[in-house]
Formats: sequence, structure tokens, C-alpha cells
Amino acid sequence: EIVLTQSPRTLSLSPGQSATLSCRASQSVHNTHLAWYQEKPGQAPRLLISGTSNRATGIPGRFSGSGSGTDFTLTITRLEPEDFAVYYCQQYGRSPFTFGQGTKLEIK
Amino acid sequence: QVQLVESGGGLVKPGGSLRLSCTASGFTFSDYYMSWIRQAPGKGLEWISYISYTVHVIDYADSVKGRFTISRDNAENSMYLQMDSLSVEDTAIYYCVKGDGGGGAYWGPGTLVTVSS
Repeated sequence: EIVLTQSPRTLSLSPGQSATLSCRASQSVHNTHLAWYQEKPGQAPRLLISGTSNRATGIPGRFSGSGSGTDFTLTITRLEPEDFAVYYCQQYGRSPFTFGQGTKLEIK
Repeated sequence: QVQLVESGGGLVKPGGSLRLSCTASGFTFSDYYMSWIRQAPGKGLEWISYISYTVHVIDYADSVKGRFTISRDNAENSMYLQMDSLSVEDTAIYYCVKGDGGGGAYWGPGTLVTVSS
């Protein structure tokens, strides 16, 4: 099973700043099948990025994904108040499809 | 538009069984893999299982293998999860997801399963 480790666990920033979230895999992620989700309380997770860098429909351009192999990054520029949430990465290149433990992006 | 609605959650005793349903609309159900993902209270996400269009390909997470059974009825645009030998560790919100559960853009609102004596 591929273990995903996200860092930091908590990130405290102010609106307008940029956020960099990391996701490290214990093995190379097959075919760059790496996704990022945003989760807010009481809501189902929302897909932000799939295939490492492809924004899902309706996702603003301030969200971008990058990486390869075992190291992946979600970057959010010009943070908006609605961006403060929990973010999960997921690898779906090899079963079982595993998730990271999440990074909480909180308002400073 | 794509809609997924889960049902069948509730309170069950350890060792008991429960059957979850997911009803889909807004897309050609039989053209897509479908999957279940869960989230325990205050915890992260866990992919549970997926099923292929024609039921020929099925996979499970080790944590549920041998206890949970995924199925689907394309004529009814529905997917199911039969959960047996439930333990307190199975307490979670269970989400129905369009696709194999990897990079899924469409999720249902979830149904809560509570396993408690």
C-alpha cells in the first residue's frame, strides 16, 4: 500500500498570501495519478486537481498542482476566505487508492 | 446534472449488518465505474471499494475485504454496499462516488453509519 504523508499538518496564513501544501508518497505514484481535494465541515470533499496538475471543472486558476514520482505539491495563490479548509491528496495509480492524512489551512 | 444520493445508514450493533444504497441520475450509470469512500468522525478519507460497469472488476480495501460486498443494478441506476460483521471501527460517513474512487469529481452527500452497542 502506498502511504501518503502530507505536510504541514496545519498551515496558518492570511487572505492574500500563498499556500504551498506537500504530499510525499512512500513509492512512486503510477502515471501521475495524484489528486487533491478540499473539504469543508458538513460537506463532501470537492475535487480540485486530478492527474497531478489538471484542475477540475469550475476550480479557480489560483489552485495549481505539480510534482512527479513521490513528491507532489498543491499551490494556492492569493488566498481567499473560502479557501480555508482541509486539503487531502490521494493516489489512484495503484490499489488500494490511498489518501494523505490532510493539511488544515487556517486563517492566521 | 450528476446526482448521487446515498441511503441506508443508521445505528447498528457490533457484529450486525447494514446495506447501503446509492441512487444515481444525470449520467449514463452503466458507462461508469462506481465506488465507496468513507470518513470516520474526525478522521481522514478511506477508499473502500469500486465496481466496474459490468461487475466484472471489483476491488476492496483490506480493512473491509471479506466483510463488505459491493454490487450494482444498472437497470435501477443503483449501487449497493452490503456490510456484514460490522465493528466500531466501521463507524463513518459513507460516500458514493462516480468513477473508481480515484480523482472523483462527483460525490453524494454521504450517509452516516454508527456501530455501537
